[in-house]
Amino acid sequence: GAVVSQHPSWVICKSGTSVKIECRSLDFQATTMFWYRQFPKQSLMLMATSNEGSKATYEQGVEKDKFLINHASLTLSTLTVTSAHPEDSSFYICSASGTGGSTIYFGEGSWLTVV
Amino acid sequence: GESVGLHLPTLSVQEGDNSIINCAYSNSASDYFIWYKQESGKGPQFIIDIRSNMDKRQGQRVTVLLNKTVKHLSLQIAATQPGDSAVYFCAEFSSGNTPLVFGKGTRLSVIA
Repeated sequence: GAVVSQHPSWVICKSGTSVKIECRSLDFQATTMFWYRQFPKQSLMLMATSNEGSKATYEQGVEKDKFLINHASLTLSTLTVTSAHPEDSSFYICSASGTGGSTIYFGEGSWLTVV
Repeated sequence: GESVGLHLPTLSVQEGDNSIINCAYSNSASDYFIWYKQESGKGPQFIIDIRSNMDKRQGQRVTVLLNKTVKHLSLQIAATQPGDSAVYFCAEFSSGNTPLVFGKGTRLSVIA
């Protein structure tokens, strides 16, 4: 069954508003979670590494002030897209590693459309 | 080793034929490799994995081959079915809490 859950699955927001996407590990503790973005017909691009209790590590070219990541507990990481613009419309996917990092689970993904 | 901005190549096969999807990975230090299947609008779905101490691993209808010398992975799907139509990504990984790095992806289209 699904061990990583994302919410919402679909969201439409107005340009300039902020949107929060949640990623939860359902039956394991995830000290590290990863956020990916996928544009149509492209591969998954790593945005940032979310570490429980510390600041996220962002990939080059990803604006940390625009994509706020909070990993406040061992089962929840949130990605907030601030002041969203139409070009932020994408499929956002999180993944989490269990203890030891040997098993990787993906969320179902969240479609964001900014109008 | 991240894919950027290229449209996905497409592999078209007849139903019942075997499919071979290839992937070149970038990091010689990667020690774990995974093939994912992604259907439209959904997250990646695990298919099969292989560790760097192996060169072949078989699953149900799928086989993954690893050639570390040339940093190449392949996914073989036997008796391809319409339900196999999807985009397939290889991903490489180093042990520990490091992120998966995805390859460019290949769209498999099965012709009935």
